[in-house]
Amino acid sequence: SQQGEEDPQALSIQEGENATMNCSYKTSINNLQWYRQNSGRGLVHLILIRSNEREKHSGRLRVTLDTSKKSSSLLITASRAADTASYFCATAGGRRALTFGSGTRLQVQP
Amino acid sequence: DAGVTQSPTHLIKTRGQQVTLRCSPKSGHDTVSWYQQALGQGPQFIFQYYEEEERQRGNFPDRFSGHQFPNYSSELNVNALLLGDSALYLCASSLLYGLMNTEAFFGQGTRLTVV
Repeated sequence: SQQGEEDPQALSIQEGENATMNCSYKTSINNLQWYRQNSGRGLVHLILIRSNEREKHSGRLRVTLDTSKKSSSLLITASRAADTASYFCATAGGRRALTFGSGTRLQVQP
Repeated sequence: DAGVTQSPTHLIKTRGQQVTLRCSPKSGHDTVSWYQQALGQGPQFIFQYYEEEERQRGNFPDRFSGHQFPNYSSELNVNALLLGDSALYLCASSLLYGLMNTEAFFGQGTRLTVV
């Protein structure tokens, strides 16, 4: 079963716009991670935010975490066509293996 | 430094057959997890190996089994293949220390098609 649920399921924007994806989860976590997947290939780790952190930045990525609402958001600023991919949130708690959501499919139009 | 490598990249099997997928983790990593990803879905956790033992298991039948070798590489075996086993199988390696999971590094996956 999926731990997290991403919203929206699909997002289409123009190059240069910002893209925001949301993730909700159900159980307590140690950290939450975001991954990117290009059409059916392996997942690439983007950013990890720990449960005691509220916001984290990495280049054009900004992640927020609200443990009281069990939710996280990923913001990609100034999007590029190369950002077209599926984005997944994954939660980790204790020694529990990463549990993934169903993903947001982002299409950036040039 | 080689990342996570999986073999083969593609595989076609007939219903009822058995298949073995292989994974070599990133250098220095001690934990290997396997995921099944159906088309348009997120990865579903199959099981995780650490110190050559299965440590955690997802909601998959006993037809799915695995092994981890002393060099940390791993195999995923699926017996009595069903059409529904067609999917991308992903291997992820990571370091488990204390109670904190770190980021996972994924291989490019094995695309299994059961006909």
